[in-house]
Amino acid sequence: GQQVMQIPQYQHVQEGEDFTTYCNSSTTLSNIQWYKQRPGGHPVFLIQLVKSGEVKKQKRLTFQFGEAKKNSSLHITATQTTDVGTYFCAGGADQAGTALIFGKGTTLSVSS
Amino acid sequence: KAGVTQTPRYLIKTRGQQVTLSCSPISGHRSVSWYQQTPGQGLQFLFEYFSETQRNKGNFPGRFSGRQFSNSRSEMNVSTLELGDSALYLCASSLWGGQPQHFGDGTRLSIL
Repeated sequence: GQQVMQIPQYQHVQEGEDFTTYCNSSTTLSNIQWYKQRPGGHPVFLIQLVKSGEVKKQKRLTFQFGEAKKNSSLHITATQTTDVGTYFCAGGADQAGTALIFGKGTTLSVSS
Repeated sequence: KAGVTQTPRYLIKTRGQQVTLSCSPISGHRSVSWYQQTPGQGLQFLFEYFSETQRNKGNFPGRFSGRQFSNSRSEMNVSTLELGDSALYLCASSLWGGQPQHFGDGTRLSIL
């Protein structure tokens, strides 16, 4: 079945350093979604990408969707302690009505 | 508008018992999905309900079941509880499947 792999599983950075997490699907996706879960909280939707090669920015966060619509990345520039949490990607399949498949997430820790 | 509401927030059960968890989606959302979250395993998809019908199902044993009512509220039931069922159970709603998910705070289930 469809699988979504996410790397790395954990990442520790010094405040001010950049951070990137990668998401790869075994099949072509109709869209990719990114979520953030703060420690002790629930996942919160960040963004959805639907077009091949799409790039979207939210302040210091840059999201990319691959040309083949099978991979995606989230890049954070100059991390801050408020960026701490687990970042999940979730892939939507082409077939309508198919459930989202979540990656296992990348847990980011930031030291000041 | 009100977010996704899950009850109860915490639950302690013993092995062999059964449990029912409740989820009230955002008004107007017809799709409700359930996830199990354990450390290191990410978000594991249990099932999705849409218009009172189970539309998608994850790879969980038959002890895990659910239903959705005409007002889109959903319940999840786990029978014959095992120690390994200890987890955070998250419910998420969306307008229809595959769209950005809005998560509740979850029910933390502990099995003794």
